[in-house]
Formats: sequence, structure tokens, C-alpha cells
Amino acid sequence: GQQLNQSPQSMFIQEGEDVSMNCTSSSIFNTWLWYKQDPGEGPVLLIALYKAGELTSNGRLTAQFGITRKDSFLNISASIPSDVGIYFCAGQLGGGGADGLTFGKGTHLIIQP
Amino acid sequence: DADVTQTPRNRITKTGKRIMLECSQTKGHDRMYWYRQDPGLGLRLIYYSFDVKDINKGEISDGYSVSRQAQAKFSLSLESAIPNQTALYFCATSDTGQGFRETQYFGPGTRLLVL
Repeated sequence: GQQLNQSPQSMFIQEGEDVSMNCTSSSIFNTWLWYKQDPGEGPVLLIALYKAGELTSNGRLTAQFGITRKDSFLNISASIPSDVGIYFCAGQLGGGGADGLTFGKGTHLIIQP
Repeated sequence: DADVTQTPRNRITKTGKRIMLECSQTKGHDRMYWYRQDPGLGLRLIYYSFDVKDINKGEISDGYSVSRQAQAKFSLSLESAIPNQTALYFCATSDTGQGFRETQYFGPGTRLLVL
């Protein structure tokens, strides 16, 4: 099946720093999604991308759908303590017979005061 | 109230026992999914259903079965639980009304421990 390579696996940053993480795939996706998971909770959708080259923002978060359809990145500007958590990218082939999302293994974001 | 609910939130069971995890949604979505999350492995798809009469195996369906009792309910069963099924289980839903623009919404998860 498809695999997503998400990096970095973990990040230790200072409050106020900008954060960047990305996902790459060997397959072409029609949809890229970015989720955040807090401890003990389910993943919550942050940004959805549906078009190659699309750049979308949600507050301090910005994500882009790569033009090759095989990658996506998520940036967080001016990090704050509540940004701590696990961030997952997810891709979907789309079309008839879509079979759910393929997830990256997550980026653990830790913010040091 | 949460749009996607899962029961129980936590469960401890013994090897060989049959257990059922339940998922309910009030979003009116057609599609429902069951995922499993293990540390370092992300989320992996177990089963999915596009409507009440449609059930499909995902990446790791062995040892699991599902039932789509109604549009709003999708249950996951472990017929004979084994320790390597210890994991965090998530239900998710999505709306076919978006066409190919599928976005999935997750429940809060069920933490299962098999002894």
C-alpha cells in the first residue's frame, strides 16, 4: 500500500519559534490533510488541501499541497504552549473506491518554556 | 455534544474474550471508518463502510469484524482478543457530499488493553 514519510519525527523548540514539518509519498494523492492529536484525544482536522499547489492558512498554521502531488508541508508560526501535540499528515487517492486515509507516523512537537 | 462518540473509552480484557467497540455519529455522514493507532506507527485502517450495506476491509482487518447497524452506528468486534491487539482505536466519519473532497472526522478513541 501507499506509504507516507513524515519528518521530523519529533521537534524540541522554544516558545515563539516557527515550526515546519513535511510529508512525502511515493504515490500521487488528490487530497492532503493535516491533523493534530492531543493526549487522550482523537485527531482533529487542522487544514485540508484538495488542489496541487494550493496554499491554505488557518490562523498561525499554513499548509501547502505540493505541485507534484507527492508532498505537503505544514508551518506553524510563533509557536505557543498549546501547540504541543502530535501532528499527522494524511493523504487520500480519492475517486471511486476511495479506501480511507493513509497517515504519516506523526511529528511530536514539544515546546520548551 | 460530540459529533462522533465511542464507547467504551477504556477497556481491559483477557486473551480469548470477545469484545465490541461501538461508534455513533450525529453528523449524518455516509462513510464510517475504524482505525488502530500504535506508538510509532500512526493510524492504520481496519475496516470502512460507505453505507449501511457496504463493508470493506482495510489494511489490517485480520482478527477484527465490523457491523454497520445503521447509518449512524458502526461497531468493531474482536472475536478472540489477543495481546497484540492492545492499542488505541479510533472511529471516523466522512461525507460523500463533498465528492472527492473527503475530510474525515475522528471520535475520541477507545483505549484497549488485552492481558
